[in-house]
Order: sequence, then C-alpha cells, then structure tokens
Amino acid sequence: DQQVKQNSPSLSVQEGRISILNCDYTNSMFDYFLWYKKYPAEGPTFLISISSIKDKNEDGRFTVFLNKSAKHLSLHIVPSQPGDSAVYFCAAYGSGTYKYIFGTGTRLKVLA
Amino acid sequence: GAGVSQSPSNKVTEKGKDVELRCDPISGHTALYWYRQRLGQGLEFLIYFQGNSAPDKSGLPSDRFSAERTGESVSTLTIQRTQQEDSAVYLCASSLGRHDLPPYGYTFGSGTRLTVV
Repeated sequence: DQQVKQNSPSLSVQEGRISILNCDYTNSMFDYFLWYKKYPAEGPTFLISISSIKDKNEDGRFTVFLNKSAKHLSLHIVPSQPGDSAVYFCAAYGSGTYKYIFGTGTRLKVLA
Repeated sequence: GAGVSQSPSNKVTEKGKDVELRCDPISGHTALYWYRQRLGQGLEFLIYFQGNSAPDKSGLPSDRFSAERTGESVSTLTIQRTQQEDSAVYLCASSLGRHDLPPYGYTFGSGTRLTVV
C-alpha cells in the first residue's frame, strides 16, 4: 500500500528552465510534507517542507505547492542548475506516527 | 559527532550469514530511525527508537531483522540468515525528538550498501 507516490521515475530539464517534480498521497490525515534531495553515495538531505494548512512555501529557487483536494504536491525549481541533478523524494508526516513515509523518488537531470 | 555516521559503508555477504550494521546518531538526538532502499524503490521505514526503546517496529520485514540501541546513542541493525532480497542501502537517521520533526526533517547518514550474494 503505497501511501506516497511519485509516478515519474526520472525527469530531464535544460539548465535555466523550470523543473517540476510531482507527488501524490492517499492519506488525508498527513499534516506535513517534505522534499528531500539525494546525491549518489550520500544520505538524503532535507530541502523544503510545507504544512497541510498552507498551499505554498517558497525558499529561494525552490517552491512547494500543496493541493489538498487533489492530494497532490509539487516541487518547482526555478531556474534549474546542473547541481540540482539528484534524486528527489517527497515524504509525508502524520501526527502520532513520529515518522516520515517516503515516495519512490524522481531522478532529476539538469542538462547544461 | 557532527553528523550521522554509519558503518560499514559497504558490505558484501554470503547468503545465510548474519550481518550487523551500525549507526552513530548526532550527539543529543534522542530519536533514531532505520530505513532501507531497495533497488528502484523508495525509502522503506524499518524501526524507530525514542531513547533506548522502540515504540514502532512495524517496518521490520521478518523476524530475521532486529535492532537495538544502547545509551541513547549507537544503534545496531542485525540481519540473521541473510537472503538476496535483503540487498539494499540501509539508512539511519536521527532527530532531536519525536515532537520536533515538522517542519524539519531527519538528518540521514550516508547509508550501508548491503549486497547478499
């Protein structure tokens, strides 16, 4: 039972353009969502989060959008840079579970 | 320490052997988590420690898997009689405590890549 889904295993984007990574979830009780970035041979690192009471959170080039009615969130990276090439995981958190549930990841490649 | 440290970074073992994976969390972090990532799959939750106790072991896939934590510090994940499907990257993460997670995430280690041949 995949509660958090990332349906695109990979994405290629030209440098300077927008990267949009998508994530869908099934449990309406999740109250926080996060994005992690992972380089090869390293652990995932926290990137940005959003509370379920908001619909947008922005941090520099990174913006996360949340559509609760559609149970969908997305990460926008503008402008994309070659250093953004990594695997991106979305994760969801529900109060009382004390843990994050992760999606399967999307491999982003930013072409110079 | 400055970060979450895991050892070994790589482990190749023969099917049927036991393995022990070690995690040193960030000093002062009371919560510790084990996840694994099998090829082509997401991060799969295994077990959560709060201090030395494990209130959530729901992700351990079978009784061949066990974990312990001592001194609110080091944790070891033991896999007995390893099988090829145990091959994965095993990731450890820590956080200050169970109530501090949002809006920030865990701090992950670099993982142990386990290959069972």
